Amino acid sequence: DAKTTQPPSMDCAEGRAANLPCNHSTISGNEYVYWYRQIHSQGPQYIIHGLKNNETNEMASLIITEDRKSSTLILPHATLRDTAVYYCIVRPDNTDKLIFGTGTRLQVFP
Amino acid sequence: GAGVSQSPSNKVTEKGKDVELRCDPISGHTALYWYRQSLGQGLEFLIYFQGNSAPDKSGLPSDRFSAERTGGSVSTLTIQRTQQEDSAVYLCASSLRTSGAYEQYFGPGTRLTVT
Repeated sequence: DAKTTQPPSMDCAEGRAANLPCNHSTISGNEYVYWYRQIHSQGPQYIIHGLKNNETNEMASLIITEDRKSSTLILPHATLRDTAVYYCIVRPDNTDKLIFGTGTRLQVFP
Repeated sequence: GAGVSQSPSNKVTEKGKDVELRCDPISGHTALYWYRQSLGQGLEFLIYFQGNSAPDKSGLPSDRFSAERTGGSVSTLTIQRTQQEDSAVYLCASSLRTSGAYEQYFGPGTRLTVT
């Protein structure tokens, strides 16, 4: 399974864009990149996923480099409610389990 | 609609006792997963059910842990002879599995404390 590397923590001012990086240099061609977040004392929440192309939904944008070795999750206008641990996960298509790393703890401040 | 529900929300038990944790997945979801999260740690995969296929038990930490899924819906995770290191939040997730990519919906978890 490809492993991911994320910074342990980041800060972001409310209203600004939060850019969360993730390295997955050993990713293979059939592996998707997923992002989940976990707000304190809650279960993880799905945010977005991608394979090769950049993706955008109502929550965030996902930018994947051309070589697919890294990606960035973008929260365009962070709010205090976005304070959470953000997990970048690479899932092979021959398995259904998610392998969570330690994630990035994002703190949004007023 | 209703999300994934888990019960109880909190469970305190004495070392050596058996416990059962319940998960009600989203109606119609064919796949069900159990994870656990120890204090300050990331999530650890335990077991996965998909339809009528044999479950993937590769994440179960010992033979004290078992799980079943009855009628393709509700699942029960059983821990026998609990130990203090079993203390954690146990999370259940379900998904409407299709080919390619799909998301897992998580429940709120059961916080287990073994004294």
